[in-house]
Amino acid sequence: SQTIHQWPATLVQPVGSPLSLECTVEGTSNPNLYWYRQAAGRGLQLLFYSVGIGQISSEVPQNLSASRPQDRQFILSSKKLLLSDSGFYLCAGEMGGSDTEAFFGQGTRLTVV
Amino acid sequence: EDQVTQSPEALRLQEGESSSLNCSYTVSGLRGLFWYRQDPGKGPEFLFTLYSAGEEKEKERLKATLTKKESFLHITAPKPEDSATYLCAVQASREYGNKLVFGAGTILRVKS
Repeated sequence: SQTIHQWPATLVQPVGSPLSLECTVEGTSNPNLYWYRQAAGRGLQLLFYSVGIGQISSEVPQNLSASRPQDRQFILSSKKLLLSDSGFYLCAGEMGGSDTEAFFGQGTRLTVV
Repeated sequence: EDQVTQSPEALRLQEGESSSLNCSYTVSGLRGLFWYRQDPGKGPEFLFTLYSAGEEKEKERLKATLTKKESFLHITAPKPEDSATYLCAVQASREYGNKLVFGAGTILRVKS
């Protein structure tokens, strides 16, 4: 079965510091991959999605960027964190065909101080 | 613009008190609608996929239905362990693959 690994589970970073969150996929190849951010008590805001290596679509203008250097690796980055970047970040994958649902990692809780 | 709206934002039920959650959507190129359950601090857990109007799926005390513009998640005789945030998402077909858009969720609390 497909599995998403995200790390770290929690992260506290100072304002202005860089960020790198990594997501790796096991159990499948060529998935569509997604980065979401979830504010406390809110739904999931789509940040980026990728259908393949080097292919990134950005959904909202922001302080973050994403890269997909390998088929099963998806990285969320920032050069300088802002307080508003705090949130719960979730990586998800899905196979892109019919009759498939997205599977999620357990998330990273980022607090920018 | 793709949009998913869930209501109510929060719902408090007594154990055994049945109710429904709503998910309305506007999206071009709909491929599927998904329901997820999310516990605090965890990633969403898949519940159902619905693909066409009139389709229904059931799992224990939950039943999901789909029309052309909305979906309902019916909860029959809920128990406290059903307390969670329920998320609805639509999968839209795009030139560069699928895009999965979520609603804000409904926070369900079931009291014994």
